[in-house]
Amino acid sequence: TQLLEQSPQFLSIQEGENLTVYCNSSSVFSSLQWYRQEPGEGPVLLVTVVTGGEVKKLKRLTFQFGDARKDSSLHITAAQPGDTGLYLCAGVPQSWGAGTKLIIKP
Amino acid sequence: NAGVTQTPKFRILKIGQSMTLQCAQDMNHNYMYWYRQDPGMGLKLIYYSVGAGITDKGEVPNGYNVSRSTTEYFPLRLELAAPSQTSVYFCASSYPGEQFFGPGTRLTVL
Repeated sequence: TQLLEQSPQFLSIQEGENLTVYCNSSSVFSSLQWYRQEPGEGPVLLVTVVTGGEVKKLKRLTFQFGDARKDSSLHITAAQPGDTGLYLCAGVPQSWGAGTKLIIKP
Repeated sequence: NAGVTQTPKFRILKIGQSMTLQCAQDMNHNYMYWYRQDPGMGLKLIYYSVGAGITDKGEVPNGYNVSRSTTEYFPLRLELAAPSQTSVYFCASSYPGEQFFGPGTRLTVL
């Protein structure tokens, strides 16, 4: 089983602050996905990164795939309460991180 | 499109009872998955299927069984429920690529 480690496990910050969440592994992945899960719901895909070094932006969210395709990061600029949720990274083929629980306080 | 639907939404079982969690998708996806998610944790793969008639074990298959007779349905069977099976169960489907998740079934075994 390929292991994906996410850090931090929990993050609580004030609205307007910036943050970065990390997803690390010793294994190489063909691609990596980031999902967000809100309480009582299933995860929803945010982005898929495929190429080493790739950077994708989704409004205030910036995703980066490491050059060696073993790690990824999610950076949120000027976090808002609507960003609150559990952020999960998933390596392709099948491997899931334990998630980062993010709380943005108004 | 309804996407991925799961029933029931909630269930309480007594130790030793059995039940089937239902999952259906209307997107004609070949791949389907069953996960469990324990409180504050990520997803653990129980079983998956790459097409009708084909199923394979995931990371935590013990105590569960699946079948996939059609593209649309992928039921998960719990035999002899144990307290360790208390969890939220998610069904997902994909083309492959992006996985689409159902709303989950919250199961408590007492």
